[in-house]
Amino acid sequence: QFVLTQSPSASASLGASVKLTCTLSSGHTSYAIAWHQQQPEKGPRYLMKVNSDGSHTKGDGIPDRFSGSSSGAERYLTISSLQSEDEADYYCQTWGSGMAVFGGGTQLTVL
Amino acid sequence: QITLKESGPTLVKPTQTLTLTCTFSGFSLTSRGMGVGWIRQPPGKALEWLALFYWNDEQRYSPSLRSRLTVTKDTSKNQVVLTMTNMDPVDTATYYCAYSPGYSDSRGYSYYFDYWGQGTLVTVSS
Repeated sequence: QFVLTQSPSASASLGASVKLTCTLSSGHTSYAIAWHQQQPEKGPRYLMKVNSDGSHTKGDGIPDRFSGSSSGAERYLTISSLQSEDEADYYCQTWGSGMAVFGGGTQLTVL
Repeated sequence: QITLKESGPTLVKPTQTLTLTCTFSGFSLTSRGMGVGWIRQPPGKALEWLALFYWNDEQRYSPSLRSRLTVTKDTSKNQVVLTMTNMDPVDTATYYCAYSPGYSDSRGYSYYFDYWGQGTLVTVSS
C-alpha cells in the first residue's frame, strides 16, 4: 500500500533547529514529496518540494530557515532558528498511481 | 498572483448531495499539466485527498470515495466544482481546493499543491 509515514509529534526549543521526517513506502522510494505547513486554525501552506536527490524548490515567501533534503526513502524538512510561529502541523504529500497521498502529519511544538 | 476560494453550504443533511465550488484566478486550467485538487480535513484529523481535475478535462478520484465524487469545470467562470453524494456525519470536514502546475517527471505529470484556498467547513447533521 502506498503510504507516507510521519512521526505524530516533535518538539524543539525556541531558536534551535528541528528535522522532520517523511518516509515513502516500499516501491515508491524515488518519489518527490511536498511539505505543507498548517498553523493553528489556518489552512495549509505549501513550503517546498523535495526531490529524491535532495534538491528542493521552495514556495513564495518561504524563509531561508526552511530547507529540505533526502536520504533513500526519507524526505526531510529542517527548520533552523525556530520561532514561535513555526509551531504548527507539518504534512508531507506525494503523487503516485494517479492519486495524491498525504502523511498523517507531525505536530511541532516550540518550547 | 494565484488565488483559490471555496464556496458552498456550511450545513447539509445526511443523504443529501454536497456541491462545492472552487473559484480561482491567476492561472488558466487549460494550460498543459495544470490541475486543481480537492482535499478535506475532519476536525482534529489529517488531510485527505479527494480528487484532481486535470487541464485536459480528465479526473482522478480517491479510490475509497470514487463512487460518490464528481469533479467538473466551468472554464468561463474559472471554477472547479466538486459534488459528493450521500453525505454522512463522518463527512463533516473543512474542504479545500488547491492548485498544482503539474511537475513533469519520468512518470508523466506529478501533482504537488503549490497554492491552497482558505477552506470551507461543511457540517453534516440532521
